[in-house]
Amino acid sequence: GAGVSQSPSNKVTEKGKDVELRCDPISGHTALYWYRQSLGQGLEFLIYFQGNSAPDKSGLPSDRFSAERTGGSVSTLTIQRTQQEDSAVYLCASSLGVAGGLTDTQYFGPGTRLTVL
Amino acid sequence: AQKVTQAQTEISVVEKEDVTLDCVYETRDTTYYLFWYKQPPSGELVFLIRRNSFDEQNEISGRYSWNFQKSTSSFNFTITASQVVDSAVYFCALSEVEIMTIQGAQKLVFGQGTRLTINP
Repeated sequence: GAGVSQSPSNKVTEKGKDVELRCDPISGHTALYWYRQSLGQGLEFLIYFQGNSAPDKSGLPSDRFSAERTGGSVSTLTIQRTQQEDSAVYLCASSLGVAGGLTDTQYFGPGTRLTVL
Repeated sequence: AQKVTQAQTEISVVEKEDVTLDCVYETRDTTYYLFWYKQPPSGELVFLIRRNSFDEQNEISGRYSWNFQKSTSSFNFTITASQVVDSAVYFCALSEVEIMTIQGAQKLVFGQGTRLTINP
């Protein structure tokens, strides 16, 4: 079946503009995650959604970052008033979401490379 | 706090050599999971293995093997008879089980990655 897809694959924007990044998880996966990969910070967690529960936003670096997940499937990560330090690859992952206190495996999309000029 | 350390930033070997990628982790929890992911030049993170903290058996999958040692908090990855296609950045990651909150969904803490280059 299809894996996690993300769009656009590349985004170049000017400082101060807003951007939206999209993620389509694997069908049937109830959990969805956003990570950021940058040269200075490595791979860092941003936010995750699990079913209908409130998302864990603990990794969002500032209030300029927000994310939503509509209908329990597609997610959009929005960055407002972009700054140059927002330049990074934004990775989305999804997982089945396993009950019983067990973790499951996250499968990653190809990422969106964001460049803020 | 959780932490994953991959001390080897870059490794370069000649094809057919064996190579071991080190991973050391820190956690206060008794229940946790460890992962290895491969990131080839295309950029997508590819899942390789998941291991829970109660299972210390080593695992072998073809040319890949993993050595989990709780006593030293290490989860090392060995590629035997390396091939050029193994060239990639490899990440070790850790997650802790949050039994009382959202079940199943976990945030991964990644190491900084090891860039492995296999030369023909």
